[in-house]
Amino acid sequence: DAMVIQNPRYQVTQFGKPVTLSCSQTLNHNVMYWYQQKSSQAPKLLFHYYDKDFNNEADTPDNFQSRRPNTSFCFLDIRSPGLGDAAMYLCATSRAAGTGRTEAFFGQGTRLTVV
Amino acid sequence: SQELEQSPQSLIVQEGKNLTINCTSSKTLYGLYWYKQKYGEGLIFLMMLQKGGEEKSHEKITAKLDEKKQQSSLHITASQPSHAGIYLCGADKGNTPLVFGKGTRLSVIA
Repeated sequence: DAMVIQNPRYQVTQFGKPVTLSCSQTLNHNVMYWYQQKSSQAPKLLFHYYDKDFNNEADTPDNFQSRRPNTSFCFLDIRSPGLGDAAMYLCATSRAAGTGRTEAFFGQGTRLTVV
Repeated sequence: SQELEQSPQSLIVQEGKNLTINCTSSKTLYGLYWYKQKYGEGLIFLMMLQKGGEEKSHEKITAKLDEKKQQSSLHITASQPSHAGIYLCGADKGNTPLVFGKGTRLSVIA
């Protein structure tokens, strides 16, 4: 019954080697978010899609990219991972219409290790 | 930008005791959300508050939003080991993504 599914749960990548994290949802929500959470810190929004519209946070490094090929799937691409990119990456979805929005539903997260 | 301060940063309580976690905003909140996170996992939605003075309860957890919509509290009655985790408050402006506080780490000891 998982509604927001992130794969993989754990990812180890080499320094500088491109890596892709995936997120899928069965809720048919029109908004999808990617957050980065480092140890003992608040989740930090990287970007979000409102339908097909991509919204990048001003302080999100260019190293981070995202794709949303359809409503159900969203990907986070890290072009050249550095040691500082090791973190938990959280995907979330919500349904938004006008100025209203439902609560955000989160996946289990992908813990990224860079070696 | 919206900033949320949570207090305390961490809390250790004895099983059966009550506790309160606070979340304060520098700006008037539109929506205030409480989530729980277990270590290494995603966030579980607890409650959403939107109206000044609103209060919601689920099982032994009660969340309140003050009249000015700048402060929220999460109260747990008769804490249990299952309540242990990180509690995060999040806020939005209606059509903007959530921003979160740093969280309160709760430990419940027997």
